[in-house]
Amino acid sequence: QSVLTQPPSASGTPGQRVTISCSGSSSNIGSNTVNWYQQLPGTAPKLLIYSNNQRPSGVPDRFSGSKSGTSASLAISGLQSEDEADYYCAAWDDSLNGPSYVFGTGTKVTVL
Amino acid sequence: QVQLVQSGAEVKKPGASVKVSCKASGYTFTGYYMHWVRQAPGQGLEWMGRINPNSGGTNYAQKFQGRVTMTRDTSISTAYMELSRLRSDDTAVYYCARVDIPLGVDCSGSCYWSNWGKGTTVTVSS
Repeated sequence: QSVLTQPPSASGTPGQRVTISCSGSSSNIGSNTVNWYQQLPGTAPKLLIYSNNQRPSGVPDRFSGSKSGTSASLAISGLQSEDEADYYCAAWDDSLNGPSYVFGTGTKVTVL
Repeated sequence: QVQLVQSGAEVKKPGASVKVSCKASGYTFTGYYMHWVRQAPGQGLEWMGRINPNSGGTNYAQKFQGRVTMTRDTSISTAYMELSRLRSDDTAVYYCARVDIPLGVDCSGSCYWSNWGKGTTVTVSS
């Protein structure tokens, strides 16, 4: 069960800016860094953002991440048709049973 | 380059066990944590646990404690994930994924991974 909450869907027209929120708690986002993954249909997830706002090599700079308190967000500026995918936030959670990695509920981005 | 090649699709009956393999190449297998993540049809991603390929030490998600066993064979650079007492809701694609930060570098709370296997479909059906 996901402990990070995301909106189920987001959409925009080509060129628009889309923002996806990710809400957590003090045991996960509040005390650890946030990563974001993009998943195209039928493929493995791809790391999009790590350590809150870092882009791996090859990820376009139209993708950006931020974190504040127990929430994080992913912004896609200059939306393109190939950005249509599912997006997941994730973070480590410092639970009483030891560290665990938790994913968000996922957001489907549609390019209109 | 890093490659993670997973075993083929499996069909199992409820109550059985399944063992999925993940053969690594392109790097020192014992130098990086390996994680397992699953995704049920039409659902989100779910972390199952991780293994330290050097020591064999494991951490499992509480949900899978007692049913999952992660092991490795360093001689063939392969990690394994075995799930027992299968139920229909274990039907999912199972992924292995290698952490980007090497063992010995503390990334507590900030570890991440960019290398994933292609996934292994496990279907549990009577």
